[in-house]
Amino acid sequence: DVKVTQSSRYLVKRTGEKVFLECVQDMDHENMFWYRQDPGLGLRLIYFSYDVKMKEKGDIPEGYSVSREKKERFSLILESASTNQTSMYLCASSAPWVTGRSMNTEAFFGQGTRLTVV
Amino acid sequence: KNEVEQSPQNLTAQEGEFITINCSYSVGISALHWLQQHPGGGIVSLFMLSSGKKKHGRLIATINIQEKHSSLHITASHPRDSAVYICAVKTVNGGSQGNLIFGKGTKLSVKP
Repeated sequence: DVKVTQSSRYLVKRTGEKVFLECVQDMDHENMFWYRQDPGLGLRLIYFSYDVKMKEKGDIPEGYSVSREKKERFSLILESASTNQTSMYLCASSAPWVTGRSMNTEAFFGQGTRLTVV
Repeated sequence: KNEVEQSPQNLTAQEGEFITINCSYSVGISALHWLQQHPGGGIVSLFMLSSGKKKHGRLIATINIQEKHSSLHITASHPRDSAVYICAVKTVNGGSQGNLIFGKGTKLSVKP
């Protein structure tokens, strides 16, 4: 039962291309996140969204933008791909920090998109 | 200094061995996650805990809030347990609502 789906497992793009990474979740979660994972650096937050059309910069937003037009979909955009954006990209979603039922919620991750920029 | 430290970074074990992976953190937290990432990238949440101990099959996770330390144990390890295990904490005063701070992961290889 797939809960968080990323549109591609592997992508190869050319330097300067505009790249869209799509993420869809079926759990009606308010929070969605985009991370990148690099050897020796672990997971780093790029952007997150806590509601439709709402977004906040994470730790490494430079070179990226995001779009959240619908609750279930969170898109990561590389405006002009560069070789240093070659990485594994992971999307995640979770219920809000305070739900009225629980203060702490579990995060669900997608399968990841391995992007290579040549 | 990283706010979440895992040890060891790499671990090789023989099938059947008891395995322990450790996680120490330096911030106030409301919950700690143990995640498993298989080759190919997909991440699965194993446990979320804020106190005590949880058990699921051969996996056991413990947390000591006072000592800011958590351990993940695998009993009777099997080659299919080979993966990267990641500790992540949810901070009480996180600047990013609902964000997690991740350790760098422990790569486990279980040999038959």
